[in-house]
Amino acid sequence: SQQGEEDPQALSIQEGENATMNCSYKTSINNLQWYRQNSGRGLVHLILIRSNEREKHSGRLRVTLDTSKKSSSLLITASRAADTASYFCATDAADDYKLSFGAGTTVTVRA
Amino acid sequence: GAVVSQHPSWVICKSGTSVKIECRSLDFQATTMFWYRQFPKQSLMLMATSNEGSKATYEQGVEKDKFLINHASLTLSTLTVTSAHPEDSSFYICSARDLRQQAVEQFFGPGTRLTVL
Repeated sequence: SQQGEEDPQALSIQEGENATMNCSYKTSINNLQWYRQNSGRGLVHLILIRSNEREKHSGRLRVTLDTSKKSSSLLITASRAADTASYFCATDAADDYKLSFGAGTTVTVRA
Repeated sequence: GAVVSQHPSWVICKSGTSVKIECRSLDFQATTMFWYRQFPKQSLMLMATSNEGSKATYEQGVEKDKFLINHASLTLSTLTVTSAHPEDSSFYICSARDLRQQAVEQFFGPGTRLTVL
């Protein structure tokens, strides 16, 4: 099942710039997670933010969560070529244990 | 984090044959495993949820007779694609979670790329 929308669908930036992508969802959640996927590879878990948290940091990543708007954002600061990947948000719904993935944002970082 | 493996990492088969994909949690016990399918340039779509020792729960539109799931132990779940056809070609990813611990994180396997000729 897919409950989230992500925007933009694709993003191209210069190395060193920041990248911001947004995720919106529809139902109540326990937490929201962000994953990275390099082309043709598996998922890498980036960060998890619980429904009672508003902001979380991990290295160059900053995630915000607004449960009143049912939206989240992922900011990657000082991007590097190695950040080129697809990024997915996934929501852990309050009434079951399944993760629902957003459509994803493809980020290209130009050297 | 915990490690989940999948085998094989890729498989090519002829139309009409069956293919089995294994998902193992290597360093923890998974009460629940999830199977996802991902078509090129698309997101992950949940196919089914399997709980150890019980029948899998399939998402709407997923044929349970075509995608057989077995979760016989706390460390192994298998997905068998029966009578595979070219439209079943996809990237299949499993994930594992231990709900006894009320664990929040799911741990994902590296995926299996299936190509049906």
